[in-house]
Amino acid sequence: TQLLEQSPQFLSIQEGENLTVYCNSSSVFSSLQWYRQEPGEGPVLLVTVVTGGEVKKLKRLTFQFGDARKDSSLHITAAQPGDTGLYLCAGVGANMRFGAGTRLTVKP
Amino acid sequence: NAGVTQTPKFRILKIGQSMTLQCTQDMNHNYMYWYRQDPGMGLKLIYYSVGAGITDKGEVPNGYNVSRSTTEDFPLRLELAAPSQTSVYFCAAGRQGARDALHFGNGTRLTVT
Repeated sequence: TQLLEQSPQFLSIQEGENLTVYCNSSSVFSSLQWYRQEPGEGPVLLVTVVTGGEVKKLKRLTFQFGDARKDSSLHITAAQPGDTGLYLCAGVGANMRFGAGTRLTVKP
Repeated sequence: NAGVTQTPKFRILKIGQSMTLQCTQDMNHNYMYWYRQDPGMGLKLIYYSVGAGITDKGEVPNGYNVSRSTTEDFPLRLELAAPSQTSVYFCAAGRQGARDALHFGNGTRLTVT
């Protein structure tokens, strides 16, 4: 059983489209992180959200932490092929657990 | 500053063989982790350590052992390799603050046949 549920599992879109991926849990987290992983490499941190309701922007990426600190979303505006990768969310704690990820493909 | 270094990058084992996956970090981070990633999947926590001399089990510890004798090194041991342990293994290190990133190595791809 996955502590963190990510959806959708796979997403394939055309360049220029917008998309949202989700990370949901029944547990409350002190903070939540989003990572992106490219083939053959380890995940790299994109953002940490700490406060319930917090919204953070990273260029075309917008991250939101749910008010109850149990869920989060990642919205990408005008997706580009360089956004292709596996997007992972992680609940921060001593034993950091990751969701199964959303594999995004952006076609030119 | 190398960050987190894993060796080897690739390894093929026969069923029943043993091996140690090496992980070393030069960031002086207290927290270290071992994850496995099966094809098309996310990361599953095998073991973690909050400091030298302290280790604890994660989600999927069976078939593995770890030790943490120094801050820098966190080796993962497979005693009797099984096909179910075919996976990509990632080591990570972090400072464990609410905003701190985990820094990952580039992984070890292990095949057990």
